[in-house]
Amino acid sequence: DAGVIQSPRHEVTEMGQEVTLRCKPISGHDYLFWYRQTMMRGLELLIYFNNNVPIDDSGMPEDRFSAKMPNASFSTLKIQPSEPRDSAVYFCASSSTYYEQYFGPGTRLTVT
Amino acid sequence: AQSVAQPEDQVNVAEGNPLTVKCTYSVSGNPYLFWYVQYPNRGLQFLLKYITGDNLVKGSYGFEAEFNKSQTSFHLKKPSALVSDSALYFCAVREGKLDDKIIFGKGTRLHILP
Repeated sequence: DAGVIQSPRHEVTEMGQEVTLRCKPISGHDYLFWYRQTMMRGLELLIYFNNNVPIDDSGMPEDRFSAKMPNASFSTLKIQPSEPRDSAVYFCASSSTYYEQYFGPGTRLTVT
Repeated sequence: AQSVAQPEDQVNVAEGNPLTVKCTYSVSGNPYLFWYVQYPNRGLQFLLKYITGDNLVKGSYGFEAEFNKSQTSFHLKKPSALVSDSALYFCAVREGKLDDKIIFGKGTRLHILP
């Protein structure tokens, strides 16, 4: 298996623009997680899905952030409009019930 | 609610010496415990887990961890450190089957000195 795939790996955008991050989980995994990592705040859970259904989005910073999982093999995290404070590395991870999570390589987002 | 603490921001160890990265946890039920490693510009990589059974768990790259229920600890260990072990290490806990989420510690940066 190729592991969790994320795209793009790097994204540089201007403040106010829409940003879409993409994730393909490991086939057969029924959980998908979105995290954000910064030096100041460490690793933060934003939202997670079980069987394509959002279960807990309490970590989503504000309404500018939204996430979808239209099918078992694809998820998006969207920021609209983006702000400089959104600059971070965004990770997608997937897991099979109750077991360890497998992380993608991350998307490094820079908002100028 | 479950929580996990990594009391050391950074640990320095000479190459060839044994290393320990500390982790303590708090859960109300049975813990599922995990260690992850993150190399620069990479995602977190699973090292090992404790679910049940033997308190000493062996994982990837020669790492092991010991579950201590009375001390609520799950320290990561390796008998002989390598320079290539230098990385950021995360301990994580899940409250058995009661919660889907894994709670991560803030991470400990391990420096192996040549």
